[in-house]
Amino acid sequence: RKEVEQDPGPFNVPEGATVAFNCTYSNSASQSFFWYRQDCRKEPKLLMSVYSSGNEDGRFTAQLNRASQYISLLIRDSKLSDSATYLCVVNIPGTYKYIFGTGTRLKVLA
Amino acid sequence: DGGITQSPKYLFRKEGQNVTLSCEQNLNHDAMYWYRQDPGQGLRLIYYSQIVNDFQKGDIAEGYSVSREKKESFPLTVTSAQKNPTAFYLCASSPDRGLSQETQYFGPGTRLLVL
Repeated sequence: RKEVEQDPGPFNVPEGATVAFNCTYSNSASQSFFWYRQDCRKEPKLLMSVYSSGNEDGRFTAQLNRASQYISLLIRDSKLSDSATYLCVVNIPGTYKYIFGTGTRLKVLA
Repeated sequence: DGGITQSPKYLFRKEGQNVTLSCEQNLNHDAMYWYRQDPGQGLRLIYYSQIVNDFQKGDIAEGYSVSREKKESFPLTVTSAQKNPTAFYLCASSPDRGLSQETQYFGPGTRLLVL
């Protein structure tokens, strides 16, 4: 099993749709989880951290399921500008290191 | 403006040549990282540094070297020993408040191409 696994997509959705991505991780001791957004040929930018209780930022909701070892990202009312690759990032416990998923590509269509 | 800068944006390397990628941050972050990104792959860690004058190898350190003489700067040298250097190189930094609990912030990246 990969340390961090994401469906590469692409997810093609119409404007206004709701879309959700999952990311599974293998190390049950991981404590820190993040979603990053990466536009084509650009650097990753932090979208949101994922807290145990779940968190919401506008149209974006992130949740953590420790029992099944996955995190999720829900995007409501999709905009054309949401088209990007979404990277899941998980820490390696006891280190300063992080594992990055390969990303899920989202295309929002007009 | 606080942030991370990388230069150059594009870099061309000839066979057998060493090249150095610059990374500077003015965020007063203790930890700095170098990653490599290839198409269809996640970011892979090359080297990281938690404090000045200290750094550790990541998962793919062979053919690379770094230095951390100043808190603000973490240059990466791609040596001639790196046989497949064409990639997108990303530098990141994070506050050091207890291992990998903190968010990483990325520079704009350098694209290295081999001639």
